[in-house]
Amino acid sequence: DTAVSQTPKYLVTQMGNDKSIKCEQNLGHDTMYWYKQDSKKFLKIMFSYNNKELIINETVPNRFSPKSPDKAHLNLHINSLELGDSAVYFCASSQDLNSNYGYTFGSGTRLTVV
Amino acid sequence: AQSVTQLDSQVPVFEEAPVELRCNYSSSVSVYLFWYVQYPNQGLQLLLKYLSGSTLVKGINGFEAEFNKSQTSFHLRKPSVHISDTAEYFCAVTETGANNLFFGTGTRLTVIP
Repeated sequence: DTAVSQTPKYLVTQMGNDKSIKCEQNLGHDTMYWYKQDSKKFLKIMFSYNNKELIINETVPNRFSPKSPDKAHLNLHINSLELGDSAVYFCASSQDLNSNYGYTFGSGTRLTVV
Repeated sequence: AQSVTQLDSQVPVFEEAPVELRCNYSSSVSVYLFWYVQYPNQGLQLLLKYLSGSTLVKGINGFEAEFNKSQTSFHLRKPSVHISDTAEYFCAVTETGANNLFFGTGTRLTVIP
């Protein structure tokens, strides 16, 4: 199936730990994104990459570091997890930098920090 | 700067009744507009989009939306809802040539049997 796939789907971890979320798309898209959805369902962009290059880096703590080994993958590493990091993280991709084709989203990773 | 306002956080409606979910945007340049649906514990799925041309856009699952430039609106409608339409609906906007999609805060549609 062509899709954007994220792993893991659920992640429960203690404060202070370091964790990673992986994302892969097999749609042949050039651009990938990370969005954070908070407890009120608000979606906010965190990062976007185009052909492995960082394009957008919104105001997120330095503890969040995206890594794109190739244009089909965009992983998110989080250091020193805090309670406020609990959210659902969505990976997405689009054909190119122009958003007019819309984004294809993964099914999300629900991160719970305890 | 662009922004999106979804005026209703929750919309309950009886099965087979019509529904309209409201979306207003602000931008100083031309925009592309989207509606996404999020079913429980799932990712976002594109319902429809407006890029240019006809202001009435038809999407999947019987939904349609109308772009109104003078009112800066892009309301989503369905003439007869089903139980399976219960979900969160997000309006989103991007300025033409931009590479960032801004989302509204979502509208929870609950279809009552």
